[in-house]
Amino acid sequence: EAGVVQSPRYKIIEKKQPVAFWCNPISGHNTLYWYLQNLGQGPELLIRYENEEAVDDSQLPKDRFSAERLKGVDSTLKIQPAELGDSAVYLCASSLSREDTQYFGPGTRLTVL
Amino acid sequence: QQPVQSPQAVILREGEDAVINCSSSKALYSVHWYRQKHGEAPVFLMILLKGGEQKGHEKISASFNEKKQQSSLYLTASQLSYSGTYFCGIRFSGTYKYIFGTGTRLKVLA
Repeated sequence: EAGVVQSPRYKIIEKKQPVAFWCNPISGHNTLYWYLQNLGQGPELLIRYENEEAVDDSQLPKDRFSAERLKGVDSTLKIQPAELGDSAVYLCASSLSREDTQYFGPGTRLTVL
Repeated sequence: QQPVQSPQAVILREGEDAVINCSSSKALYSVHWYRQKHGEAPVFLMILLKGGEQKGHEKISASFNEKKQQSSLYLTASQLSYSGTYFCGIRFSGTYKYIFGTGTRLKVLA
C-alpha cells in the first residue's frame, strides 16, 4: 500500500514569493492534516480536513496561508507571500477517520531566503 | 495545553532501558506515540485509549494513566535503531483536537 505522498520534497524561495505544497493521502483516508514542524519541535497542526471540508483551521494564518481539498482526496497548501519565519518542514498526514491513527508523508522542507 | 515530555534528551548504551513520559494538564482521551528520525517523517508506534491499558510492540511498550493524565513509553534492551526523537500525540477528552508533545531526543550508542 502506498503511503502519503508529498511534493516537492525541498523548496527554496525568496521572501515575498508564493509557494505551494501538494499532498496525496493514503487511498481511502477521509481525514487529512497539514502540520508545520520547526527544527527540534513537535508538529503543529495547521488545518484538518474531513473529506473536502476544513473542520479545524484555527491555527492557520489566514492572511497568507490557504489550503484546499477540492474532491476530498489530494490537497494543496499555499503561502503567499512567504516570510523568512515560514522556513520549516510542512508535513501532511492522513487517517481513515478523525479517530484513527495518522500516517505522515515525508514532508516538504521550505527555506525562505 | 501542549503536553510536556520528560526527559528532554537521553543517551543510552545498547541493551539499556529507558522510560519517556508524556504529561498533560487536561483530561486525555487517547495517546499516540511516534518516533522520528532526522530528516524523516514521524512513524507511528502505538496508540493507547483511556482505560489505563498497556500495549506492547516488540521491545517497546506503553502505558496510559488516565487519573494522572499521563502516558509512559518503555524501551527495553534498546537497539541502535531506537535512536530518534519520540513524540506523544494526544487527543483531549470531549474534543478532536490533537496536539503533539515537546519531544524526547534519544540516542543509543554502541
